Amino acid sequence: AQSVTQLGSHVSVSEGALVLLRCNYSSSVPPYLFWYVQYPNQGLQLLLKYTTGATLVKGINGFEAEFKKSETSFHLTKPSAHMSDAAEYFCAVSASGAGSYQLTFGKGTKLSVIP
Amino acid sequence: GAGVSQTPSNKVTEKGKYVELRCDPISGHTALYWYRQSLGQGPEFLIYFQGTGAADDSGLPNDRFFAVRPEGSVSTLKIQRTERGDSAVYLCASSPQGGGTEAFFGQGTRLTVV
Repeated sequence: AQSVTQLGSHVSVSEGALVLLRCNYSSSVPPYLFWYVQYPNQGLQLLLKYTTGATLVKGINGFEAEFKKSETSFHLTKPSAHMSDAAEYFCAVSASGAGSYQLTFGKGTKLSVIP
Repeated sequence: GAGVSQTPSNKVTEKGKYVELRCDPISGHTALYWYRQSLGQGPEFLIYFQGTGAADDSGLPNDRFFAVRPEGSVSTLKIQRTERGDSAVYLCASSPQGGGTEAFFGQGTRLTVV
């Protein structure tokens, strides 16, 4: 079974500041890890994913995340926040292999960007 | 269309009524998923189709919920005897194949049971 914990339901940063959204996971098998973004009245959009290989994953819009197995973490970062980054962000995990189709999501973190 | 399309975008129904929610996946995607997102929560898995068959329906909460995908494209989620607790946003997603590939989500259907 898999689970995801996102620390902080709401994060506020100033425009130009570092964005750090935290995600810890639990999985009984090697995980696949995802970050999705949801803008108001829109569907979930994939930002980035980790399946195998390089543990530092780069995604769209300047976001990246690092898979740290020892810490069971997959935190999302962006060096400089932009107003357009204001949205809700969801971390998700799936099992690798046969169960990889089923995503288990965290509760989400709403990011506000202050001008 | 270019993306996953869900209709209606909003549905208000009375407690006890039957509802159908429709999902048009991206053309050519064999895998289709339904998720439910309650207020303040992340999406929760309901069911996964590979082609016409439900490969995993373990997330359906009870036997009032049923989903079909008769021709391996459009899917319908059916809810009988709706209850106020069924109120949520129902999300559909599709992917070229199941497992590890990117799932593309629709905008969802917001269901309100009054």
